[in-house]
Amino acid sequence: DAGITQSPRHKVTETGTPVTLRCHQTENHRYMYWYRQDPGHGLRLIHYSYGVKDTDKGEVSDGYSVSRSKTEDFLLTLESATSSQTSVYFCATVMTSGRFGSYNEQFFGPGTRLTVL
Amino acid sequence: DAKTTQPPSMDCAEGRAANLPCNHSTISGNEYVYWYRQIHSQGPQYIIHGLKNNETNEMASLIITEDRKSSTLILPHATLRDTAVYYCIVRDVIQGAQKLVFGQGTRLTINP
Repeated sequence: DAGITQSPRHKVTETGTPVTLRCHQTENHRYMYWYRQDPGHGLRLIHYSYGVKDTDKGEVSDGYSVSRSKTEDFLLTLESATSSQTSVYFCATVMTSGRFGSYNEQFFGPGTRLTVL
Repeated sequence: DAKTTQPPSMDCAEGRAANLPCNHSTISGNEYVYWYRQIHSQGPQYIIHGLKNNETNEMASLIITEDRKSSTLILPHATLRDTAVYYCIVRDVIQGAQKLVFGQGTRLTINP
């Protein structure tokens, strides 16, 4: 499981409050990802990182920001949480992308269930 | 948008082979086909991947058609613990990072 932990595992918050979710990995993997999962939508990529301080947007990045100041930590921040951001959030890591066309397995964390009231 | 099409649900008897189909008619020459599964509310788990040739590992076999427009994941002797949502994914590469685009997947139920 690549030593991926997510914190908190569960959180209930109110609309308009800031929320930060943390993903921590112990395998020194280069790439890290944040996904959200909602009924009827599968997993959707929010943001990803390809190195320390190197991040980029995924398909559903509006309302989210990320930071990666250390290899092992990737933070997802909801600056002002909304009810539409109620979801289960998964972090994932990959050791390296390898050369084009090759593959490296994505390891997923246990998820964070966020409820915004 | 997902590049794959899968049936929303399937059933299989315990001990039998489970064959999960996936259509990926727009796959490009350098794109791999990956399979992940998600058991209950856990994070997705990698199963297998392939490019052109059939592949087998300790979990499953992957059969890719010659034109690469479809594939089948085979769980040779399904157990109750194989009940999960199975995702067929065609990899999109952006700046060297892997972007996995998950579709709805197939909810596989293994019946005793």
